[in-house]
Amino acid sequence: AQSVTQPDIHITVSEGASLELRCNYSYGATPYLFWYVQSPGQGLQLLLKYFSGDTLVQGIKGFEAEFKRSQSSFNLRKPSVHWSDAAEYFCAVGQNYKLSFGAGTTVTVRA
Amino acid sequence: SAVISQKPSRDICQRGTSLTIQCQVDSQVTMMFWYRQQPGQSLTLIATANQGSEATYESGFVIDKFPISRPNLTFSTLTVSNMSPEDSSIYLCSIKAGVTDTQYFGPGTRLTVL
Repeated sequence: AQSVTQPDIHITVSEGASLELRCNYSYGATPYLFWYVQSPGQGLQLLLKYFSGDTLVQGIKGFEAEFKRSQSSFNLRKPSVHWSDAAEYFCAVGQNYKLSFGAGTTVTVRA
Repeated sequence: SAVISQKPSRDICQRGTSLTIQCQVDSQVTMMFWYRQQPGQSLTLIATANQGSEATYESGFVIDKFPISRPNLTFSTLTVSNMSPEDSSIYLCSIKAGVTDTQYFGPGTRLTVL
């Protein structure tokens, strides 16, 4: 069965600093990969997705993610964090139209 | 992308009662999903709701506890039956978009059971 691991439960970053959130998956083939963000009291918003092709994908809000097959990873990055980026971030893997989610990483942004 | 709404946005209920959550989409979609997000946890898929057929439940979820309706291609309901405090969660509906596994989510319903 596929699984998704987000090793970091909580990350604190200064405003303006760079951010990287890790995601590793376990799956036999290259799955569909997603990053979602959940702001406090909100639903999930799709940041970006990877299906095939260019391994560096651009998303909304200045986020990007890189798919590395050799490492079974799909890490999310942002060069300069804004206070509004404080939220919960979920990595997800798609298989047979279903999504499996990682445990999530909480990002705190300090001034 | 489609606009997805849920009603109610939140509710506080007494144990032993039932609550029906509605999910409305502004366009026709084939597949809709219901998820549960327990406090401080990730999302867990409850079931897949397809129009014209019975919902498909994931392991650990049963129809008697979480009956689902899908009367048309724009609407679905999830009922949380005979509630206990352990059912306190955020319940989210989502839709499958296009031919990939991309899903878009509604704003969620925050349920508290006393």
